[in-house]
Amino acid sequence: GQQLNQSPQSMFIQEGEDVSMNCTSSSIFNTWLWYKQDPGEGPVLLIALYKAGELTSNGRLTAQFGITRKDSFLNISASIPSDVGIYFCAGQRADKLIFGTGTRLQVFP
Amino acid sequence: EAQVTQNPRYLITVTGKKLTVTCSQNMNHEYMSWYRQDPGLGLRQIYYSMNVEVTDKGDVPEGYKVSRKEKRNFPLILESPSPNQTSLYFCASSLSGTAYHEQYFGPGTRLTVT
Repeated sequence: GQQLNQSPQSMFIQEGEDVSMNCTSSSIFNTWLWYKQDPGEGPVLLIALYKAGELTSNGRLTAQFGITRKDSFLNISASIPSDVGIYFCAGQRADKLIFGTGTRLQVFP
Repeated sequence: EAQVTQNPRYLITVTGKKLTVTCSQNMNHEYMSWYRQDPGLGLRQIYYSMNVEVTDKGDVPEGYKVSRKEKRNFPLILESPSPNQTSLYFCASSLSGTAYHEQYFGPGTRLTVT
């Protein structure tokens, strides 16, 4: 089955730094979603994007739906220790939701 | 409290011994889905259900069965588990099949097949 290319695979940053991660696909999607998974829990939705070019913020998180509809990025500003986790992008097309491979984020004090 | 529950949370079994992982949601959601999560592969969809008595294959359905006899329940059945089905499984639900942005995930079931 199709998967989205998500990078980087992992990041080790210091508290207070900004973080960027992105997701690319060879196919077009109608919706891009970003989820966060804390250890031992299921993914939780962070941001949903519905239109090409859309830029949406949720607190310190900002995500964009690429103009080509084949990519998306997520930025986290001024990282804090509770940002630790795995971040997944997901593209939605028709009745299918395709997930990226995940970016594991570690934040050091 | 609105939630998706899965049972069991942890399961160790042997090859060939049939097992069922239950999933239940209390939000009156029409759409339910099962995913498996493996290191480096993200989440991959196994089966999904748009409504009662309607189920469809996802990307990795081989070796799995599902049923949707009631709106709230969507059990995942492994008729003859094999070691390559060792994984972390998530059930999810959303209001409708077109509203994926509202997809709620359960806490996960970690399955080990020896």
